[in-house]
Amino acid sequence: QKEVEQNSGPLSVPEGAIASLNCTYSDRGSQSFFWYRQYSGKSPELIMSIYSNGDKEDGRFTAQLNKASQYVSLLIRDSQPSDSATYLCAVSKAGTALIFGKGTTLSVSS
Amino acid sequence: EPEVTQTPSHQVTQMGQEVILRCVPISNHLYFYWYRQILGQKVEFLVSFYNNEISEKSEIFDDQFSVERPDGSNFTLKIRSTKLEDSAMYFCASKGTSGPYEQYFGPGTRLTVT
Repeated sequence: QKEVEQNSGPLSVPEGAIASLNCTYSDRGSQSFFWYRQYSGKSPELIMSIYSNGDKEDGRFTAQLNKASQYVSLLIRDSQPSDSATYLCAVSKAGTALIFGKGTTLSVSS
Repeated sequence: EPEVTQTPSHQVTQMGQEVILRCVPISNHLYFYWYRQILGQKVEFLVSFYNNEISEKSEIFDDQFSVERPDGSNFTLKIRSTKLEDSAMYFCASKGTSGPYEQYFGPGTRLTVT
């Protein structure tokens, strides 16, 4: 059974702090890794993709991938109240179905 | 910026009725997907579609479900005889033909079966 595991949270951080979100996956054949943000009642919004080991930075977001440990993380620097949402980790083999985790709820307090 | 659109935003139907959910993928994308999310649960894959045929489907996608690309722009999900447990948000997603492999989601259709 292919699974993606995330801590459900809530993860609470003060405004301006770094939020760290983690994800593990079970299928070693996974090749593509994504972080989606989902506001309550809305659809998943793609914020980061990563395909190779190491770090990938985009603005305030950094995705980290370690295939040997089957581990993906997302760091959000200078967290803002508008970052409060559920963050979904998703993995796939190239071009195939996304397997989602249950998501981690992030709450950023001002 | 191009985006995936879905109609209707909310559909209420009685158990046993047929429903059709509609999606317009991003115009130059050729891979299409349906996912669903039951309230409070994770997003689950239903089916993927490429070159006018199903390329992958999950155990959820049983005989009561079907997909179709009736014309050059629309992509539909039909549920033949709805059950109470079909109540969920249904998301359409699309992806381009070459890398990267990112899937972009539409706003969803909330299906309520009474």
